[in-house]
Amino acid sequence: QSALTQPRSVSGSPGQSVTISCTGTSSDVGVYNYVSWYQHHPGNAPKLMIFDVYKRPSGVPDRFSGSKSGNTASLTISGLQAEDEADYYCCSYAGSSLYVFGTGTKVTVL
Amino acid sequence: QVQLVESGGGVVQPGRSLRLSCAASGFTFGSYALHWVRQAPGKGLEWVAVIAHDGSNEYYADSVKGRFTISRDKSKNTLSLQMNSLRAEDTAVYYCARSSTMVRGRFDYWGQGTLVTVSS
Repeated sequence: QSALTQPRSVSGSPGQSVTISCTGTSSDVGVYNYVSWYQHHPGNAPKLMIFDVYKRPSGVPDRFSGSKSGNTASLTISGLQAEDEADYYCCSYAGSSLYVFGTGTKVTVL
Repeated sequence: QVQLVESGGGVVQPGRSLRLSCAASGFTFGSYALHWVRQAPGKGLEWVAVIAHDGSNEYYADSVKGRFTISRDKSKNTLSLQMNSLRAEDTAVYYCARSSTMVRGRFDYWGQGTLVTVSS
């Protein structure tokens, strides 16, 4: 099972929006609505930001939103803030392979 | 509050064994599936293994199948990962994480991780 493909990095100024793509296949992202997104500040525990493609856990700001089209899921951060600077990983359920993560995207707030 | 605290990491020679532990607190241990996820230096996250809420089932990534064994002890609220025949490519920070279901789930809480270095 190959890792899902994410851009290596994205950047934006405070207040702007950025979107991170997560491209998989018809064996994972394309067939299951079990895509989740994690924020990871290196040295800390990863944090769940989005699950089941678009649902937000309690406490996650509504600036974070998720969507999916075909084999590609997306995470959008609106109204970018300095504390959003982190690594972001998507993850999809993948049937017999269970779970596959994305390659990771570094978000930089300019 | 939910806490997952990993321990047991260290430096080990190729071919040797190491056992990781994850102490859980702040939630009903027997109600959640538990996972190990790792991150090699400079790389992304990789799912490693999962064990059912009651220990009845377990699944492994192909990269560790036959070498790693996941287990849980409900009397101690502890998750373990026995790692045998270690290879250089197993070098990573190992995280434990929980999910409400074994499959089709999401990892809603994670530990801070423990570093395993496989090197001669």
